[in-house]
Amino acid sequence: ETGVTQSPTHLIKTRGQQVTLRCSSQSGHNTVSWYQQALGQGPQFIFQYYREEENGRGNFPPRFSGLQFPNYSSELNVNALELDDSALYLCASSLDKNSPLHFGNGTRLTVT
Amino acid sequence: AQSVAQPEDQVNVAEGNPLTVKCTYSVSGNPYLFWYVQYPNRGLQFLLKYITGDNLVKGSYGFEAEFNKSQTSFHLKKPSALVSDSALYFCAVSNTGGFKTIFGAGTRLFVKA
Repeated sequence: ETGVTQSPTHLIKTRGQQVTLRCSSQSGHNTVSWYQQALGQGPQFIFQYYREEENGRGNFPPRFSGLQFPNYSSELNVNALELDDSALYLCASSLDKNSPLHFGNGTRLTVT
Repeated sequence: AQSVAQPEDQVNVAEGNPLTVKCTYSVSGNPYLFWYVQYPNRGLQFLLKYITGDNLVKGSYGFEAEFNKSQTSFHLKKPSALVSDSALYFCAVSNTGGFKTIFGAGTRLFVKA
């Protein structure tokens, strides 16, 4: 059983640029959630996708957007990067909406 | 609105002693409660969950948690701590809609040999 994989593992971008982060969900999981974890803090919910539809969203601006594909893999896109966007971005898949989350190891984004 | 509070930034315990990591929550409707553990530079790993049923739930690595509805708490416990239990622990809650799981700020557990 393949777990959740995220790419890339590390990324450095300049303020104002755009970035796309990718996530392959665990086999059989139809729900994907994205979280932002700043240093020393808990994960902050960005949004969740269930069967290719956005199913819930946290307090993040519209420049954070996402997609879920028919194979349930997912992308997180962030436009107009700001310095405060520097964080660990975690993707998690689950069997359904209330099942435990299975996390990838994250993408460390640094915005300079 | 959902929220999770972990009142202790850090918990220190000697190996072999019992440990408790505290969590209180606020959610509309019936809560779905979870504990996760995070090791350095890694994603979070699921430890245990409470959905319904017995208030004491058992999970991975000998951990257990007690659901207390009147106190809206879900404290994580282990009868005998190991040095390898040292990590960052997160409590999380979602509601019956299941569209958003909210995490606490985390509690760092140090187990001294």
